[in-house]
Amino acid sequence: DSGVTQTPKHLITATGQRVTLRCSPRSGDLSVYWYQQSLDQGLQFLIQYYNGEERAKGNILERFSAQQFPDLHSELNLSSLELGDSALYFCASSEGPHQETQYFGPGTRLLVL
Amino acid sequence: AQSVTQPDIHITVSEGASLELRCNYSYGATPYLFWYVQSPGQGLQLLLKYFSGDTLVQGIKGFEAEFKRSQSSFNLRKPSVHWSDAAEYFCAVGEANQAGTALIFGKGTTLSVSS
Repeated sequence: DSGVTQTPKHLITATGQRVTLRCSPRSGDLSVYWYQQSLDQGLQFLIQYYNGEERAKGNILERFSAQQFPDLHSELNLSSLELGDSALYFCASSEGPHQETQYFGPGTRLLVL
Repeated sequence: AQSVTQPDIHITVSEGASLELRCNYSYGATPYLFWYVQSPGQGLQLLLKYFSGDTLVQGIKGFEAEFKRSQSSFNLRKPSVHWSDAAEYFCAVGEANQAGTALIFGKGTTLSVSS
């Protein structure tokens, strides 16, 4: 158990819908990262937040957004969902903003029908 | 741009045999390197990491990896594989000294263990 929690574990929804994925980092960690794992693209970095501020951005679509709240939990919002958004979404956390060890949560499996 | 290559998509090893999973990276400066393992339906578990210093790093579950700058490699090894080691293994490189940070992952190597 990494100490990073993610809810829900599974999510099934329809195209065009909007969903919110939630992540709670390890106690004491200020950075939260979101990754997408799909069969064709592999594991891809989406976005990083540190202490409530966006810190780095990767291959995140404009339909996707994220935020980190004062209690340090983070939410990833996915809107206008398409079939291709079906994937495993991981959250990771680390102590600081710079390169440090990232600990991963169990993931949320999203299926868009 | 940074990249990570894991040349072997799938490897099968007999239980008790030794294992080496290959990882090559492309990065201009000294990289931070990681190996993660993912069991079916599970998240990513950190096996080991290299930041600096001794180029041979020890990890959990009896794994070790060696950083070879001249070969841009960070291969993962285990002297004797157990059936429970069957999983997918990911090598990753991280940027250092950046305002933010991200891990760049290889495509992964699936390890099967035969009895």
